[in-house]
Amino acid sequence: QLQLQESGPGLVKPSETLSLTCTISGGSISNNNYYWGWIRQPPGKGLEWIGSMYYGGSTYHNPSLKSRVTMSVDTSKNQFSVKLSSVTAADTAVYYCARQSRAAYVPGGEFDYWGPGTRVTVSS
Amino acid sequence: QSALTQPASVSGSPGQSITISCTGTSSDVGAYNYVSWYQQHPGKAPKVMIYDVSDRPSGVSNRFSGSKSGNTASLTISGLQAEDEADYYCSSYTRSVTLVFGTGTKVTVL
Repeated sequence: QLQLQESGPGLVKPSETLSLTCTISGGSISNNNYYWGWIRQPPGKGLEWIGSMYYGGSTYHNPSLKSRVTMSVDTSKNQFSVKLSSVTAADTAVYYCARQSRAAYVPGGEFDYWGPGTRVTVSS
Repeated sequence: QSALTQPASVSGSPGQSITISCTGTSSDVGAYNYVSWYQQHPGKAPKVMIYDVSDRPSGVSNRFSGSKSGNTASLTISGLQAEDEADYYCSSYTRSVTLVFGTGTKVTVL
């Protein structure tokens, strides 16, 4: 059974960089059929797609965040990561990592496995 | 990018059917059949209920069904049950090679 687990600091200071890692167990990040994505949810608000990546290197980002987002994959550790720079209070949210179907080789497929989420607060 | 538009809330009595709409544009919902629906209970991660407009993952009840007409996708829950009370989100692929979620709908079982 595939499992995903987010990890990273729960508190980040304004203007600093938020870094999160997702560790995959029960499956391989190098599977040709999937992208790996990040989604966040501010307190009391809806879901926001941050971006998706393929283990081979292709990455896709939410244009509203693109200049601040960096995504990477570590196949040796079966992990993928996201960094969000210059954070503000508006970046306070629960961050989820998830597996996404690589339907037709575009990041339009469904997210079928999710991590439990990790709460990140931006505050001094 | 703008979020897809969903009604803030929908309610129904046990056994009834309800439909949640998800309105986008000709650049997202209207352009592709990559519409998914997610159910989220409080404090939990979302769970996919429908993908590719109308396909249901293994293990999801056949009381959940999806459809699309033009720029609007819909999720129908038939035979409403107490356990269906949750937040529901749609998502769609877009012509900009991105993904966008809907604003979310709170379903209340009366």
